[in-house]
Amino acid sequence: DIQLTQSPSFLSASVGDRVTITCRASQGISRYLAWYRQKPGKAPEVLIYTASTLQSGVPSRFSGSGSGTEFTLTITNLQPEDFATYYCHLFNIYPLTFGGGTKVEIK
Amino acid sequence: EVQLVESGGDLVQPGQSLRLTCTASGFTFSDHYMDWVRQAPGKGLEWLGRIRNIADRHTTEYATSVKGRFTISRDDSKNSLYLQMNSLKIEDTAVYYCTRGRWNAGGWYYDYWGQGSLVTVSS
Repeated sequence: DIQLTQSPSFLSASVGDRVTITCRASQGISRYLAWYRQKPGKAPEVLIYTASTLQSGVPSRFSGSGSGTEFTLTITNLQPEDFATYYCHLFNIYPLTFGGGTKVEIK
Repeated sequence: EVQLVESGGDLVQPGQSLRLTCTASGFTFSDHYMDWVRQAPGKGLEWLGRIRNIADRHTTEYATSVKGRFTISRDDSKNSLYLQMNSLKIEDTAVYYCTRGRWNAGGWYYDYWGQGSLVTVSS
């Protein structure tokens, strides 16, 4: 099974900051990666799919890049609603899997 | 409006079985792949499995961790998705989400999630 390893697991940031989260796959997964944001007590919501495609309605401060085994999610100009947990997700290669998550906390 | 509503969550003892139901509305259920995802208390997301649509003959895929214990099925006439869980373990304690998947421009993502159903396995 392919493993997705996210780093860091936690990060502290301030409103207006730029943050980057990394997701590494244990083997090449082309661009079969999506990113989700989960606010406390809520279901996750998709931000990015196919590594870099911004989901309709998601603010342009979110961007994704990468292919193969290394992927990044970048959030510029961090907003209060972005303090949440972020997950990468492998699709299209079974079994599907999620990364362990990155919690973005207010500094 | 698309809605996914899970039901059936309960407190059960280790070794027991439980079936969760996800009732869908607001879209053509039979057209979509449907997945189950769970989240243990304070933990991350775990993909459990998938059932494809009628065009792909309702074939299924499972996570290694639950293969052989969990079974996903659906009844398109009732707009319902099911998760049969057998031989439950304490570590199966989690909120279970029903999700709708969507292919778009060569990519896949979950565009709708249910509110979740809590399953607690404890003696």
